[in-house]
Amino acid sequence: QEQLVESGGGVVQPGGSLRLSCAASGFSFRTYGMHWVRQAPGKGLEWVAVIWADGSTRNYADSLKGRFTISRDNSKNMLYMQMNSLRVEDTAVYYCATDRGAAAFDVWGQGTMVTVSS
Amino acid sequence: ETVLTQSPGTLSLSPGERATLSCRASQSVDSRYFAWYQQRPGQAPRLLISGTSSRATGIPDRFSGSGSGTDFTLTISRLEPEDFAVYYCQQYGNSPWTFGQGTKVEIK
Repeated sequence: QEQLVESGGGVVQPGGSLRLSCAASGFSFRTYGMHWVRQAPGKGLEWVAVIWADGSTRNYADSLKGRFTISRDNSKNMLYMQMNSLRVEDTAVYYCATDRGAAAFDVWGQGTMVTVSS
Repeated sequence: ETVLTQSPGTLSLSPGERATLSCRASQSVDSRYFAWYQQRPGQAPRLLISGTSSRATGIPDRFSGSGSGTDFTLTISRLEPEDFAVYYCQQYGNSPWTFGQGTKVEIK
């Protein structure tokens, strides 16, 4: 069964850092690009970042302004997001999702909540 | 950036009725890279439709997608109780990938 499981969320003060993880299983992780998508409380979906299957290319939403770094370890079937200089407006549920090209984002994790508050 | 605008914001219908959801793009979208997602309260989004009209695995045939260029539509032919949820459109052909703001389908 194809599955993604996020972890690493929590409560952090403004200016702090967090590292999110996403564990993949049940499919050939190294074959596909991976995304992070976030959803602020009561709001819609916002694309955050993508990393290509081999890790060679990464793109980010302009709103992040270089504060977030997406990475992956294909030997461990793991996706990561290092989040620095966190702001109150980064408060959201963060989802990881697969990118199978024409098949869109067809597998999603259950999400991990990040709360930035003093 | 391709901005996606969904309408209506909220759709109030009864079970058994037909739902028509619209999504308009600020510029032309490659129909091979247009999708719809369903999100129920407290759950992750679920892919319904990719490539404008291809149903994802396990999605019932009461869900159908159509459109091209800048105008896309998701149709639910007969609403079942589990279909009352929020629906998002998405273009995934170009970075940044973008989502519409969502349409809530609620029970009338």
